Amino acid sequence: DAGVIQSPRHEVTEMGQEVTLRCKPISGHDYLFWYRQTMMRGLELLIYFNNNVPIDDSGMPEDRFSAKMPNASFSTLKIQPSEPRDSAVYFCASRSRGALHFGNGTRLTVT
Amino acid sequence: AQSVTQPDIHITVSEGASLELRCNYSYGATPYLFWYVQSPGQGLQLLLKYFSGDTLVQGIKGFEAEFKRSQSSFNLRKPSVHWSDAAEYFCAVGDQGGSEKLVFGKGTKLTVNP
Repeated sequence: DAGVIQSPRHEVTEMGQEVTLRCKPISGHDYLFWYRQTMMRGLELLIYFNNNVPIDDSGMPEDRFSAKMPNASFSTLKIQPSEPRDSAVYFCASRSRGALHFGNGTRLTVT
Repeated sequence: AQSVTQPDIHITVSEGASLELRCNYSYGATPYLFWYVQSPGQGLQLLLKYFSGDTLVQGIKGFEAEFKRSQSSFNLRKPSVHWSDAAEYFCAVGDQGGSEKLVFGKGTKLTVNP
C-alpha cells in the first residue's frame, strides 16, 4: 500500500497563472477529500467525492477553484487564476470506512 | 454545526514526562472522534479514533484518549513522552448522522525538551 500520493510536493507560481494539484488515493477507497491548511485558518475541507462524484463543494472558496475526479485512482484540484492568498498546503485524503489517510501535501506559493 | 477546540496552541514538556492534550467538541449527538499527528512536511497520521463502546481508546505510539460525554471532551494522553513525539496534534470530530465531513481543531504543537 503506497498510501495517498500527491504531486507536486512544492509549487511556486506567479499570480494569475493556472495551478493544478494532483492526487492518487489509496486503491479501494471510495471517498476522496481535498483540504487546505494555513496558519490562520487551520485545516479546511474544500470538497469531497464519493465514488468519483462530488458530494459537497461548499468549502471551495470561489469559482477560481475547481476539482475533478475522472476515475477512482485520480483527482485534480485546479486554481485559475491563482492569487497570493491561495498560498497554503493542500492535502488530499482518502478513506473507505473509518479514518482518513492523508497524502504528504502540496505546498503552494503564489507570488 | 460541529466545532472542535484545542485550547493549547503550544505545549512544552520534558522527555519522560507525562502528556495530556485537551480537546473539546461541540456536537448535538454522539460524534466520531479522532486524534491525528503531523510531523513537519508530512501529512496527518491517525493516532486513534472513537466510534462507540469503551470510552478509553488505545492508539499507536503509546497514546490513549478518553471520551467524556459530560464534558464534551476527548483528551489525548501519554504516560511518558519521547523526543520523537514532538509534532503537531489535531483533534477532529465527525458526524455519525451520515455526513462524511471531519472538522479539525487548530492543533497543538508539542515541543519535547531533552
